[in-house]
Amino acid sequence: GENVEQHPSTLSVQEGDSAVIKCTYSDSASNYFPWYKQELGKGPQLIIDIRSNVGEKKDQRIAVTLNKTAKHFSLHITETQPEDSAVYFCAATPSGGSYIPTFGRGTSLIVHP
Amino acid sequence: GAVVSQHPSRVICKSGTSVKIECRSLDFQATTMFWYRQFPKQSLMLMATSNEGSKATYEQGVEKDKFLINHASLTLSTLTVTSAHPEDSSFYICSAFNTGVNSPLHFGNGTRLTVT
Repeated sequence: GENVEQHPSTLSVQEGDSAVIKCTYSDSASNYFPWYKQELGKGPQLIIDIRSNVGEKKDQRIAVTLNKTAKHFSLHITETQPEDSAVYFCAATPSGGSYIPTFGRGTSLIVHP
Repeated sequence: GAVVSQHPSRVICKSGTSVKIECRSLDFQATTMFWYRQFPKQSLMLMATSNEGSKATYEQGVEKDKFLINHASLTLSTLTVTSAHPEDSSFYICSAFNTGVNSPLHFGNGTRLTVT
């Protein structure tokens, strides 16, 4: 089955700095990669996603890059703000079968004002 | 956007009692819903796949008699934790695909279960 590794587990930055979270996956058949943000006591919320036919996608301060050959994808947050503080999960979704995504272990991002 | 509503958000129950958690898709029909369990500072652990009109599919190690799932309509799935014990205390989250498979999972806001 799919295996998703996510690093770092904790990331602490100053407000205004950039933050980068990296994930690797093992199944070359995975073709859809969503990122979720989970605030304390709430369910995960989709913030951005990317499909395997695209190398990069940007939405305001957040961007995601995908390297299919190396089987890794990354989340980039620029100009971080305290409200960006949360746990972020990456996921890899297979192109067939159950279509159930495999999640990384999460990154706790702390943005210091 | 797609909305998944989960109720209750918090529940405290005594050991030995049963607790029902509801998950509703508010603006779309969901033939399949997923139930996750999350321990503090850990990732999402898939417990079971809930299928409308048929039996749920449980992940390995999840007791189907302990965690009863019912998906009676295209917009409602329920998870009942039977004979709850303190070790069942956890954060339970449901989710569903809106526009079909290989699209984002939309999550409910979770239910914090505390068994005393």
